[in-house]
Amino acid sequence: EVQLVESGGALVQPGRSLRLSCTTSGFSFRDSAMSWFRQAPGKGLEWVGLIRSETYGGTREYAASVKGRFTISRDDSNSVAHLQMYRLTTEDTGVYYCAKPLRVYPDSTGAGKYWGQGTLVTVSS
Amino acid sequence: EIVLTQSPGTLSLSPGERATLSCRASQSVTSNYLAWYQQKPGQAPRLLIYGASSRAPGIPDRFSGTGSGTDFTLTISRLEPEDLAVYYCQQYGRPSTFGQGTRLEIK
Repeated sequence: EVQLVESGGALVQPGRSLRLSCTTSGFSFRDSAMSWFRQAPGKGLEWVGLIRSETYGGTREYAASVKGRFTISRDDSNSVAHLQMYRLTTEDTGVYYCAKPLRVYPDSTGAGKYWGQGTLVTVSS
Repeated sequence: EIVLTQSPGTLSLSPGERATLSCRASQSVTSNYLAWYQQKPGQAPRLLIYGASSRAPGIPDRFSGTGSGTDFTLTISRLEPEDLAVYYCQQYGRPSTFGQGTRLEIK
């Protein structure tokens, strides 16, 4: 059974940093791309970014709203993906989800097949 | 980036009826990389359709997706009370974007 569990959500002040983790099981993590999404309170879904498998160079892509502030990484030995967030603003408040996408092609970022339950990040002074 | 516009914003129908949800893109979606999700209150999204028309494993055949280019449709035939949810379309080209969602209410 595929499982994804996010952790690390917290209340943080604007301008601070936070790292989220996505612990996975039930599939070959090293062969899979991993995605991050978020959802502000009462709002719609937003794609945050993606990291491809090392087979495809481990390349990363980000939404314009987080590029230069957020970094996605992966630990294939422990089947964990991370989302490092810097210079947080109130606009970054929301539930953050990690997801295992369906196959990711060079010109795509993949549709999220398996999702975690989400972790809440609140940015407030 | 591609802007997705979903309509209607809210749809209110009775059990057994057919629901038709629209997703229009501001430019052609690469290789029809278009997905539909269902999100129930307090839950993570659930993938229904990918590649515009392929049903994800385990999804009932009441759910179907059609369309190409800039116009896409999710159809739910024979609505059931459990279909109460918000439905999102996503284009998963580079970069990916979502529509704002359609809220489906069951009378």
